[in-house]
Amino acid sequence: AQSVTQLDSHVSVSEGTPVLLRCNYSSSYSPSLFWYVQHPNKGLQLLLKYTSAATLVKGINGFEAEFKKSETSFHLTKPSAHMSDAAEYFCVVSSQTGANNLFFGTGTRLTVIP
Amino acid sequence: DTGVSQDPRHKITKRGQNVTFRCDPISEHNRLYWYRQTLGQGPEFLTYFQNEAQLEKSRLLSDRFSAERPKGSFSTLEIQRTEQGDSAMYLCASSLLAGGQGTDTQYFGPGTRLTVL
Repeated sequence: AQSVTQLDSHVSVSEGTPVLLRCNYSSSYSPSLFWYVQHPNKGLQLLLKYTSAATLVKGINGFEAEFKKSETSFHLTKPSAHMSDAAEYFCVVSSQTGANNLFFGTGTRLTVIP
Repeated sequence: DTGVSQDPRHKITKRGQNVTFRCDPISEHNRLYWYRQTLGQGPEFLTYFQNEAQLEKSRLLSDRFSAERPKGSFSTLEIQRTEQGDSAMYLCASSLLAGGQGTDTQYFGPGTRLTVL
């Protein structure tokens, strides 16, 4: 079985400071992992995707995530938060290798303080 | 814009009525997915199509729910005899079958927000 746990439901950072959104996964196989972002009244947008090619994955808008198998983690980071980063972030795992239904975490709401 | 589109964006209905939502995927994508997202939760998988074939259905998809993709292009999701518990955002996504390793990348539409009174 597979599951995703987002360790913080809400993270608040000051503009210009680093962002860390934590995600742990559980899977009995080699998963594909994703981070999606959801801005208010907008669709889910893919930030980045891990598919075993490289453990450090770079995404859009300066975000990156590191796959750590020993810790079963896939934390999302960004060196410097921008006001436009305020949104809901979802960590996502695929259902099984190569399969297509996704399991979403419960989300982390990021607030950026000016 | 050539992304995934959904119609309508909002639907308010009375309990017991039937509703139908439409999803138009990205034109060259052969896979199409439906998800449901309730307030404060992440999206939950409902079903997916490869071309016109419905290949997988979640246990969440009760017999009041039916989805079709008749020509392998757009899809419809119908809910019969709606209940208040059906109130949610219904999301559609599409992808192109991946030739290599890993799961396809799914691109999501803006969703249809259903409110059942």
